[in-house]
Amino acid sequence: NAGVTQTPKFRVLKTGQSMTLLCAQDMNHEYMYWYRQDPGMGLRLIHYSVGEGTTAKGEVPDGYNVSRLKKQNFLLGLESAAPSQTSVYFCASEIRWNYGYTFGSGTRLTVV
Amino acid sequence: KQEVTQIPAALSVPEGENLVLNCSFTDSAIYNLQWFRQDPGKGLTSLLLIQSSQREQTSGRLNASLDKSSGRSTLYIAASQPGDSATYLCAGRDAGNNRKLIWGLGTSLAVNP
Repeated sequence: NAGVTQTPKFRVLKTGQSMTLLCAQDMNHEYMYWYRQDPGMGLRLIHYSVGEGTTAKGEVPDGYNVSRLKKQNFLLGLESAAPSQTSVYFCASEIRWNYGYTFGSGTRLTVV
Repeated sequence: KQEVTQIPAALSVPEGENLVLNCSFTDSAIYNLQWFRQDPGKGLTSLLLIQSSQREQTSGRLNASLDKSSGRSTLYIAASQPGDSATYLCAGRDAGNNRKLIWGLGTSLAVNP
């Protein structure tokens, strides 16, 4: 049982490049979340999903898109990366609302 | 607007000491409160989840309490060990927007041998 797996673990992008971060969970969780963590700002919610085929905006959605075509996968896309998107990105899942989060190990992204 | 504050921001203690980490929130309308541990460069590990109807949860040397009326949660660590060194984060589930966790900035704990 792998839990929540994020790929890649590290990535360096040039400004304007695009990339997709993958989050996969094998726990049959309904809810999935993407966060970014920056020093002094804590964790901020980017987008979330309450089930297969659904997505919704969080606190800081601009510059990101998401898709949840399969229940076990939640993809985070950056269409045109900017230095302000340098951060550590965490995916989390929850079996149902209010049951508590399980986090992945994170993706450290640097945009130069 | 719900805000979560963790005090102190950093704590250094000798091994073996019992310690308390504090988490306060401005609005008592929360559904649950979850404590996490984060090691440097790593993800977050869930430690304890307290539902709003509960007062405390225990796991091994850890005990977390929740007092909604005073807007406080505490994480008690008994007989601290160097392996407990990490950043501890609390997050409250805001009843005003029940998809959203409101996060504290964490307490960085160093347990010295």
